[in-house]
Amino acid sequence: NAGVTQTPKFQVLKTGQSMTLQCAQDMNHEYMSWYRQDPGMGLRLIHYSVGAGITDQGEVPNGYNVSRSTTEDFPLRLLSAAPSQTSVYFCASRPGGSSSYEQYFGPGTRLTVT
Amino acid sequence: EDKVVQSPLSLVVHEGDTVTLNCSYEVTNFRSLLWYKQEKKAPTFLFMLTSSGIEKKSGRLSSILDKKELFSILNITATQTGDSAVYLCAVKGGTSYGKLTFGQGTILTVHP
Repeated sequence: NAGVTQTPKFQVLKTGQSMTLQCAQDMNHEYMSWYRQDPGMGLRLIHYSVGAGITDQGEVPNGYNVSRSTTEDFPLRLLSAAPSQTSVYFCASRPGGSSSYEQYFGPGTRLTVT
Repeated sequence: EDKVVQSPLSLVVHEGDTVTLNCSYEVTNFRSLLWYKQEKKAPTFLFMLTSSGIEKKSGRLSSILDKKELFSILNITATQTGDSAVYLCAVKGGTSYGKLTFGQGTILTVHP
């Protein structure tokens, strides 16, 4: 199993550009989430999904869109990049149910917006 | 709104020292508290705690939860330079959906 994969690893955007961060998992996990990590602020939830076709907002959803058309993929779209979106982005997944809340994280995407 | 606060924010020790990291929380319908270790890449899972007073242990690391006082501690004994990392605490509350609320993290630096 590859686990959770993310592409690209690094990206530089200009203000106003759009792009999609890709996330895929091969563990058949129901739940997937996107977090951003900024210095001194831990991980903050952007959007999450509890299954194909179902998404919801987290703490900091503004400026981001998500969709979940398959169990495996959960792309994050930046509609019009802003310097405030400079961050490290992590995708995570976990099985459904309440037996374990352990989340499996991807390697991260470091995004810089100039 | 769920809230997780970790202390201290950073800590510098020497090899062989014992450290205690703190995590306090306010969450609606608490389900679980999780500890992660992050070394310049993705967080890796350490422990999940659901019940008060039951210590989880893995090698030199141990953790315990107090649901009455709403906090958890992570202990690391006989620290090594490889323990240098950011330690993240997260809580799961509310519905059974996949939402974790993370604290700011504690940056631990272990000098030889």
